Amino acid sequence: DIQMTQSPSSLSASVGDRVTITCQASQDISNYLNWYQQKPGKAPKLLIYDASNLETGVPSRFSGSGSGTDFTFTISSLQPEDIATYYCQQYDNPLITFGQGTRLEIK
Amino acid sequence: EVQLVESGGGLVQPGGSLRLSCAASGFTFSSYSMNWVRQAPGKGLEWVSYISSSSSTIYYADSVKGRFTISRDNAKNSLYLQMNSLRDEDTAVYYCAREGGTTRMPPVDAFDIWGQGTMVTVSS
Repeated sequence: DIQMTQSPSSLSASVGDRVTITCQASQDISNYLNWYQQKPGKAPKLLIYDASNLETGVPSRFSGSGSGTDFTFTISSLQPEDIATYYCQQYDNPLITFGQGTRLEIK
Repeated sequence: EVQLVESGGGLVQPGGSLRLSCAASGFTFSSYSMNWVRQAPGKGLEWVSYISSSSSTIYYADSVKGRFTISRDNAKNSLYLQMNSLRDEDTAVYYCAREGGTTRMPPVDAFDIWGQGTMVTVSS
């Protein structure tokens, strides 16, 4: 199975800060990488697909980049409503795997 | 409104069985591949199973292979997960999730619609 290593596991930042989360795959997955946001008690929500494509309706402060094994998710200016846990997900292999998640808090 | 609604969760003893359902509405269910994803209390997301739109292709995570069976009824706009030989570690919220795929333009190979989840507790 492809392992996804996400870092950091938790992050504290101030409103307006630029926030970056990384995800590393255990093997080359091209751009088959998605990012999700999950707020407490809610279902996950798709933010970024194919490593860098913004899902319809998602604010432009969210972005993604990378290919191969190394990927980055960025919030350009953190807003209070962005408090959530973020997960990367690979779909190169039929056996889909998620990163362990990054819990984002307001400082 | 595009919607997925899970049902069928509950408390079951180890070794028992449970059948989850996911009712789809607001979109052409038969055109989309579907998945089950679970989340143990306080833990991350774990993909469980995939079924293609026509049921011709099915995949399972190693942790559930041989115990869980995914199926769908396109006439009823419904997805199912039959769970047998349940273990303590199967305790989780179970989500059904739509795969955007090539039905969307441009194609979206990601889980673009999720249900609200149904809780499964395996305990004696």
